[in-house]
Amino acid sequence: DVKVTQSSRYLVKRTGEKVFLECVQDMDHENMFWYRQDPGLGLRLIYFSYDVKMKEKGDIPEGYSVSREKKERFSLILESASTNQTSMYLCASSPIPTSGTSYEQYFGPGTRLTVT
Amino acid sequence: AQTVTQSQPEMSVQEAETVTLSCTYDTSESDYYLFWYKQPPSRQMILVIRQEAYKQQNATENRFSVNFQKAAKSFSLKISDSQLGDAAMYFCAYQEGGGANSKLTFGKGITLSVRP
Repeated sequence: DVKVTQSSRYLVKRTGEKVFLECVQDMDHENMFWYRQDPGLGLRLIYFSYDVKMKEKGDIPEGYSVSREKKERFSLILESASTNQTSMYLCASSPIPTSGTSYEQYFGPGTRLTVT
Repeated sequence: AQTVTQSQPEMSVQEAETVTLSCTYDTSESDYYLFWYKQPPSRQMILVIRQEAYKQQNATENRFSVNFQKAAKSFSLKISDSQLGDAAMYFCAYQEGGGANSKLTFGKGITLSVRP
């Protein structure tokens, strides 16, 4: 079974703190993703990575950065946390699809981040 | 840009009855995939069903089936013989085909409750 784990289920941080959210997958997937989930807004893509040290901005990258030094690990960084970054953060991974195929994304359990 | 619309924020169904969750999408692409994901209260998102746009036959997975209307850009999920364990948030998602990054565009989700 594919396993995607996230370092914390709940996290409380103060405004202005630097926050690291860690995600690890054990299936050698090339693609990894960070989403935030807010009520009434669904899941919105923050950043994704298609290879080690490779990253691309998603739909809402402002205020976030990412790091992928190893294939299995994808970190989301909030350089200076703000209250509007209070949210549920979901990590996902998937293999690279080839032409004519698709692969589902496998999700972690999520991290509920509260910034006070 | 592709968009996915789930217009009903909540639905309720009696146990053992059938319920249909609606989803529409907008794209100018011809090669794409559609998904329904389920997020139970424990928050781990899992894939329910997948549909390839090039397939005319509607996908089916046990009690779950889709009604895929490509011309109308509609992709609804039918749950037959609803069970208490079906209570969850359901997300419709779109993925463009032929690419390497497997990004998903999600709808805002619908909360399904099941009445015993």
